[in-house]
Amino acid sequence: ELKVEQNPLFLSMQEGKNYTIYCNYSTTSDRLYWYRQDPGKSLESLFVLLSNGAVKQEGRLMASLDTKARLSTLHITAAVHDLSATYFCAVEAGGTSYGKLTFGQGTILTVHP
Amino acid sequence: GAGVSQSPSNKVTEKGKDVELRCDPISGHTALYWYRQSLGQGLEFLIYFQGNSAPDKSGLPSDRFSAERTGGSVSTLTIQRTQQEDSAVYLCASRRGPNTEAFFGQGTRLTVV
Repeated sequence: ELKVEQNPLFLSMQEGKNYTIYCNYSTTSDRLYWYRQDPGKSLESLFVLLSNGAVKQEGRLMASLDTKARLSTLHITAAVHDLSATYFCAVEAGGTSYGKLTFGQGTILTVHP
Repeated sequence: GAGVSQSPSNKVTEKGKDVELRCDPISGHTALYWYRQSLGQGLEFLIYFQGNSAPDKSGLPSDRFSAERTGGSVSTLTIQRTQQEDSAVYLCASRRGPNTEAFFGQGTRLTVV
């Protein structure tokens, strides 16, 4: 069974600082997705990573995928308050569970002055 | 609208009653997912439909839970004999197929009293 683990689960950052959220998964996959969820809202897609070495950037966020290490990172550069949210990674299964999306526990990010 | 639509947005029901939650996916999306999110928690996979294939029901927590998808479009999640532990936000998502991002509805907040 595919397991997806994020760390840290809670992240308190100062504005202007950099930090990285990690997403580890347990079985082979080369398809990984990052989502953002604001309090009381639904999930919004951030990045789609579909191959080893894939890197995507949008504003202060950059996501990468290392399929050999079964690891994706979400890097935050010069954090601002607007980035405060919960971030989820989701891994797409292959084999008999082809297409199934399994989510990590989420990382609650708080950016403060 | 072009997004995933869920109804009702809120549902309060008495313990022991049955409830039906509805999801209208984005037109043309062949894959549809149901997840459950308890307060402050991650996304718990419930069930996944892909085209005409048999659904992946591996996440349904008990036989009180069932789901169907009619005509490859609208889906209904039914919970029979609701229990207080069923209280959560039920999220539906759809996507064109594997390797694409999933789009989430706003969710149905279910409260069992």
